[in-house]
Amino acid sequence: KNEVEQSPQNLTAQEGEFITINCSYSVGISALHWLQQHPGGGIVSLFMLSSGKKKHGRLIATINIQEKHSSLHITASHPRDSAVYICAAAPYNNNDMRFGAGTRLTVKP
Amino acid sequence: DGGITQSPKYLFRKEGQNVTLSCEQNLNHDAMYWYRQDPGQGLRLIYYSQIVNDFQKGDIAEGYSVSREKKESFPLTVTSAQKNPTAFYLCASRTSGGAPGYNEQFFGPGTRLTVL
Repeated sequence: KNEVEQSPQNLTAQEGEFITINCSYSVGISALHWLQQHPGGGIVSLFMLSSGKKKHGRLIATINIQEKHSSLHITASHPRDSAVYICAAAPYNNNDMRFGAGTRLTVKP
Repeated sequence: DGGITQSPKYLFRKEGQNVTLSCEQNLNHDAMYWYRQDPGQGLRLIYYSQIVNDFQKGDIAEGYSVSREKKESFPLTVTSAQKNPTAFYLCASRTSGGAPGYNEQFFGPGTRLTVL
């Protein structure tokens, strides 16, 4: 079993819809990262969180440490949000990260 | 602008040849990483380096080698011993101070290697 599981694997939405991507992890962590990978392959960091909730524009990330679960929400989705979203867990006392397989989001106009 | 560069973006090699992928960063980061990405799988760690002249094997180091002679550079060599080298390779860097996991990791644009 992977240490970081994401769902769904693929997601297609209509422009304007509310999107939720889920991430469950089995390791104790010091932080949980959400990353975005565009079709060209480059990866950018969206959020890094260890508790509660963070918001940046139309993106919201939440984490429940007790349940070892995090969600990434996109409000009013837009075709430019189409990308692969990756959840990554940073374990305690370890500079490595464990990555989920990613969720491929396609937003249709 | 500060960032990580990887070159080339696409690389083709014949089976049995060694190939070296370049990774350079001007972020003054101590830690650098090499990951491999295959379709449907999460990024897997090949090698990482916390400081110049030191590096550690990751989960899938077999068939790969690295060097860290300069802080800015962390080249990865894919040797002929790597059984399935065709993949997307990502380099990353991060500051190593503070609590592990709390520092943002910056990624390069990646190199797609195809072995024919």
